Amino acid sequence: AQKVTQAQTEISVVEKEDVTLDCVYETRDTTYYLFWYKQPPSGELVFLIRRNSFDEQNEISGRYSWNFQKSTSSFNFTITASQVVDSAVYFCALSEAIHLAGGYQKVTFGTGTKLQVIP
Amino acid sequence: TAGITQAPTSQILAAGRSMTLRCTQDMRHNAMYWYRQDLGLGLRLIHYSNTAGTTGKGEVPDGYSVSRANTDDFPLTLASAVPSQTSVYFCASSDTGQALGGYTFGSGTRLTVV
Repeated sequence: AQKVTQAQTEISVVEKEDVTLDCVYETRDTTYYLFWYKQPPSGELVFLIRRNSFDEQNEISGRYSWNFQKSTSSFNFTITASQVVDSAVYFCALSEAIHLAGGYQKVTFGTGTKLQVIP
Repeated sequence: TAGITQAPTSQILAAGRSMTLRCTQDMRHNAMYWYRQDLGLGLRLIHYSNTAGTTGKGEVPDGYSVSRANTDDFPLTLASAVPSQTSVYFCASSDTGQALGGYTFGSGTRLTVV
């Protein structure tokens, strides 16, 4: 069974600090997809990134970067020069490719990390 | 704006009553899902549907039922609500084709069962 662990329940940083949100996953599938979602205080869930298991290249998008390491089953998310608008709950998630044959994504979410950026 | 519409936004429901949470998407996604979000537990899958006419059980299906009469609508029904069903419910959809992306979520329904 697939599992996603986000050990950090809450993190507080001062604005402009860098912060890394940890994500460790478990899966028996050799092909899978990893995701990060953001849930700001307004409550909506926003898709940030998807990563395929066969692509370990790190990705950078503005102040956001993601470090995918299959050797440690980790998919960590770093925010550089954090801003107050980054305050949110961030969810890491995993989807195994096997379910795609059935026409759906069965996504397992971690319990989330609440990030508070203090001005 | 394309996306998912959920209704109602919030509801207080007496225990033992039934209720249907509505979900409609306009993206022509084949797959749709219902999740519940609870503090400390993240999001847990209740039911899913990979195409119109077909549904499946997720991680926490007990006490809930769904139907998928067409591509756009995926209502979630609580036949006899209990306080443990107090939660925030999110409907989502996904494109499972070659352009595999993440879920698109609705804005959620906050349900309180008293």
